[in-house]
Amino acid sequence: KAGVTQTPRYLIKTRGQQVTLSCSPISGHRSVSWYQQTPGQGLQFLFEYFSETQRNKGNFPGRFSGRQFSNSRSEMNVSTLELGDSALYLCASSLEPPNSPLHFGNGTRLTVT
Amino acid sequence: DQQVKQNSPSLSVQEGRISILNCDYTNSMFDYFLWYKKYPAEGPTFLISISSIKDKNEDGRFTVFLNKSAKHLSLHIVPSQPGDSAVYFCAASASGGTSYGKLTFGQGTILTVHP
Repeated sequence: KAGVTQTPRYLIKTRGQQVTLSCSPISGHRSVSWYQQTPGQGLQFLFEYFSETQRNKGNFPGRFSGRQFSNSRSEMNVSTLELGDSALYLCASSLEPPNSPLHFGNGTRLTVT
Repeated sequence: DQQVKQNSPSLSVQEGRISILNCDYTNSMFDYFLWYKKYPAEGPTFLISISSIKDKNEDGRFTVFLNKSAKHLSLHIVPSQPGDSAVYFCAASASGGTSYGKLTFGQGTILTVHP
């Protein structure tokens, strides 16, 4: 069974630009979550989607948004990039939470210059 | 406010011995706990989980213990192998709608297993 796939693996953007990251969950998983990992803050929850609906959201500004498609694939968008948005962005999928482990992809490394 | 804490930034163990990684939490609403392993340039890999209705869960060389009264959990790896060298994250979640997809992670412990 294929794991969670994230594209692209690496991305370099300039401050003020916007970026879209893509995630394909494990087949059969309908819940997709996004996380940001930075050296200072660790792993921080961004949001969760299930059946194309955002069910939960972390404490990030509105510049961070996402969506989920009918095939459970998800995208995350960050607008008006700031230097502090440089991070590893991780997508995870699971069967119906809670009490179902999240399975993570290898992430997209975003660098904002 | 760090609700999940891994107080040991690093742990060094000899191959074949036991590795014990510790984690403390403060939020009494947490009822599901997980351990992940992470190699550089890869995403976290799920290892083992435990529900708050249990105090122990085993999967091969990995055992997780939960002490709800102390709000403490630990991961035991026996025997430790050099391939276990990685960063280990403890994570927790609570039931309920506001917790969908949300895990609260500790800061991680770097485990080094020496041959």
